[in-house]
Amino acid sequence: QKEVEQDPGPLSVPEGAIVSLNCTYSNSAFQYFMWYRQYSRKGPELLMYTYSSGNKEDGRFTAQVDKSSKYISLFIRDSQPSDSATYLCAMLTGGGNKLTFGTGTQLKVEL
Amino acid sequence: GAVVSQHPSWVICKSGTSVKIECRSLDFQATTMFWYRQFPKQSLMLMATSNEGSKATYEQGVEKDKFLINHASLTLSTLTVTSAHPEDSSFYICSASARGRETQYFGPGTRLLVL
Repeated sequence: QKEVEQDPGPLSVPEGAIVSLNCTYSNSAFQYFMWYRQYSRKGPELLMYTYSSGNKEDGRFTAQVDKSSKYISLFIRDSQPSDSATYLCAMLTGGGNKLTFGTGTQLKVEL
Repeated sequence: GAVVSQHPSWVICKSGTSVKIECRSLDFQATTMFWYRQFPKQSLMLMATSNEGSKATYEQGVEKDKFLINHASLTLSTLTVTSAHPEDSSFYICSASARGRETQYFGPGTRLLVL
């Protein structure tokens, strides 16, 4: 079993839809949770960073962490075609510096 | 802020030659830099971690004599692929983090094609 599980998709939604992207993990030592967006042939771009459980909102993006369930989510409101990309969840243990990535979910927002 | 650049963005070379890729943190001091490799439709695979002024720590299965990493300053790390072969063709991405910070900021990547 992988430490971090993420559905690879592809996930196709119409423009304006609310998108929900999720990851589950098995290592209870993870304390820092990140979401990266990666466009084709580009490096990952940090979208959201959360420490421990709770919610964090930034514009159209909301990140949720439920440590009791070992489950994290990224919500995208009013999705746009420009949101079409691969979304990677990544996690870090306290005191560690190596990110553990999910496989990435490919999202396509259609007009 | 937190901008990381890579150079070159793509490179084509002949088998047997060496290729150097630069990674620079433009607006912060990167005490730790990371080098990743990514194959099509796959996630990032960590190759090595380097701290400024120290030798790099390589992940299991990564040949340190083939992938030479230098982190001579707080803003620059280099990856040299020595005696490159077609199987080394891949997308190489660096990331950087500042002292005491958990977040890693990624460069735009370098696409290497070895003929």
